[in-house]
Amino acid sequence: DTVLTQSPALAVSPGERVTISCRASESVSTGMHWYQQKPGQQPKLLIYGASNLESGVPARFSGSGSGTDFTLTIDPVEADDTATYFCQQSWNDPTFGAGTKLELK
Amino acid sequence: EVQLVESGGGLVQPGRSMKLSCAASGFTFSNYGMAWVRQAPTKGLEWVATISYDGSSTYYRDSVKGRFTISRDNAKSTLYLQMNSLRSEDTATYYCTIPFAYWGQGTLVTVSS
Repeated sequence: DTVLTQSPALAVSPGERVTISCRASESVSTGMHWYQQKPGQQPKLLIYGASNLESGVPARFSGSGSGTDFTLTIDPVEADDTATYFCQQSWNDPTFGAGTKLELK
Repeated sequence: EVQLVESGGGLVQPGRSMKLSCAASGFTFSNYGMAWVRQAPTKGLEWVATISYDGSSTYYRDSVKGRFTISRDNAKSTLYLQMNSLRSEDTATYYCTIPFAYWGQGTLVTVSS
């Protein structure tokens, strides 16, 4: 299985820029996607194909990367962005990262 | 509006069976592959199984192969997951998803004696 590694947690202040990283154990080309999940809710797709913004998602969210290293950027961060963010690859059998919990100071 | 509504979860003893359903609406169900993804309490997301738009192809994660069966009824716009020989490690919220753009609210399966 392709293992995706994310940093476990981040804390930022509203208005700041935050980058969340995801590293794959092998190349997944641009088959990387990002999700936001708030407590008690289902995941929500934010970014697909590494850098494509899902319809209806604010332009504050952006994605970049290819191969093994990917980032999700939120700029500027708002209070409502408190959530856990997961990366997921679709190059092989789908796997998800363990998630990065974003907290606001 | 796309809607995916899971049902069939609950408490089940180890070794027993359970069948989950996902009622789909708001899109042409027969045109899309579908999948199940699960999330153990306070844990991350784990892909379980995928089925092609017409049901001719199915794919499973290794830990459920031979125990779980994904199927669909396009006439009823419904996706299923038959789970046999359940184990405690199968305890999770199970999500139905149009991989992976749309997700249902999930149904909780608890495997415990």
